[in-house]
Amino acid sequence: QQQVKQSPQSLIVQKGGISIINCAYENTAFDYFPWYQQFPGKGPALLIAIRPDVSEKKEGRFTISFNKSAKQFSLHIMDSQPGDSATYFCAARGTGNQFYFGTGTSLTVIP
Amino acid sequence: DTEVTQTPKHLVMGMTNKKSLKCEQHMGHRAMYWYKQKAKKPPELMFVYSYEKLSINESVPSRFSPECPNSSLLNLHLHALQPEDSALYLCASSLTTVRNEKLFFGSGTQLSVL
Repeated sequence: QQQVKQSPQSLIVQKGGISIINCAYENTAFDYFPWYQQFPGKGPALLIAIRPDVSEKKEGRFTISFNKSAKQFSLHIMDSQPGDSATYFCAARGTGNQFYFGTGTSLTVIP
Repeated sequence: DTEVTQTPKHLVMGMTNKKSLKCEQHMGHRAMYWYKQKAKKPPELMFVYSYEKLSINESVPSRFSPECPNSSLLNLHLHALQPEDSALYLCASSLTTVRNEKLFFGSGTQLSVL
């Protein structure tokens, strides 16, 4: 059973546009929600993260929006650049620091 | 130093071979993890070590044998693997398994089983 559902599976955005990736979860015990960026042949790298007591967190061009009542969160990439082309995974932390990953979104930013 | 270092980066092995994957971190983290990642799929948790003791084993076949010799090192011993075990094997670490949330990943070992 997929603990964290992620959409879309793939996304193509023009340079300068906004990329939006959505995730949803069911387990209300999850207490931390990171986003990871992964380039081919590399391990995932922590991009930005949020706790459920905060509705929005912004770091540079990256923003997480969090809706606790709907159990949904999303990543917004403003002014998307070709260098942002990568696979993005949302995740949720459960007990014992176990992380449950979404299925991933392959982002392509067209110059 | 915020790096998790994995060696080798690539490994090709036959089904009768024995090999080991190595992982090292010097961030003072006391939790270390092995994940398996197939192409275009999310990482899947295999093992968690907390303070050098195995705390989580996600029903991984015995042909994968983890070892944590000290707080900085994590090994994954491989024996009699199957072609379907070909994947990217990722090591990760965090300060503890209790309170620190940040999970740092290594670049992985790309394993091919022939």
